[in-house]
Amino acid sequence: QKEVEQNSGPLSVPEGAIASLNCTYSDRGSQSFFWYRQYSGKSPELIMFIYSNGDKEDGRFTAQLNKASQYVSLLIRDSQPSDSATYLCAVWPNGQNFVFGPGTRLSVLP
Amino acid sequence: NAGVTQTPKFQVLKTGQSMTLQCAQDMNHNSMYWYRQDPGMGLRLIYYSASEGTTDKGEVPNGYNVSRLNKREFSLRLESAAPSQTSVYFCATTLTDTYEQYFGPGTRLTVT
Repeated sequence: QKEVEQNSGPLSVPEGAIASLNCTYSDRGSQSFFWYRQYSGKSPELIMFIYSNGDKEDGRFTAQLNKASQYVSLLIRDSQPSDSATYLCAVWPNGQNFVFGPGTRLSVLP
Repeated sequence: NAGVTQTPKFQVLKTGQSMTLQCAQDMNHNSMYWYRQDPGMGLRLIYYSASEGTTDKGEVPNGYNVSRLNKREFSLRLESAAPSQTSVYFCATTLTDTYEQYFGPGTRLTVT
């Protein structure tokens, strides 16, 4: 069974710090990787996707992918209280449907 | 553009009752999905439709049926609701070439 694992948290960081969210996946054939942010009571919102090994930056967000280690991470620089949410890692195994991790709850403390 | 819309937003059913959750998209995407989200379990795929006229089972299809009415609409039916189907249900669409997925606002369903 294809699995995606994340630390459930909560992960607490002070305002202005770097938040690091981690995700591991079991299917070596996975090709595409996504990070969603979900505020309490709301639907998931796509914030980053990455297909190639290495880093991809978008504003304060950086996604990092290491296919050899089957590991993908999301860094949030200069964390703000508005970043407090649950972050879902999603993996698209080649030719299959999305597999979502259980999510990591992030709390940014003012 | 409304994106992905879902109705109703909230619903309370008694065990054994039936209902249909509606989903519509104006993004012209081919693929549509139904997920359920339970605390601590992430999103689990119920059914999906890769294109108009096709539907396939996901991870947790038991107790559900779907209809892809046209390219815009994808409905989820509970024929005989059970308390285990208490959950938040999300509809989503996916861009074919990048697999970016966009979610509707969700339906909170309680079965008593």
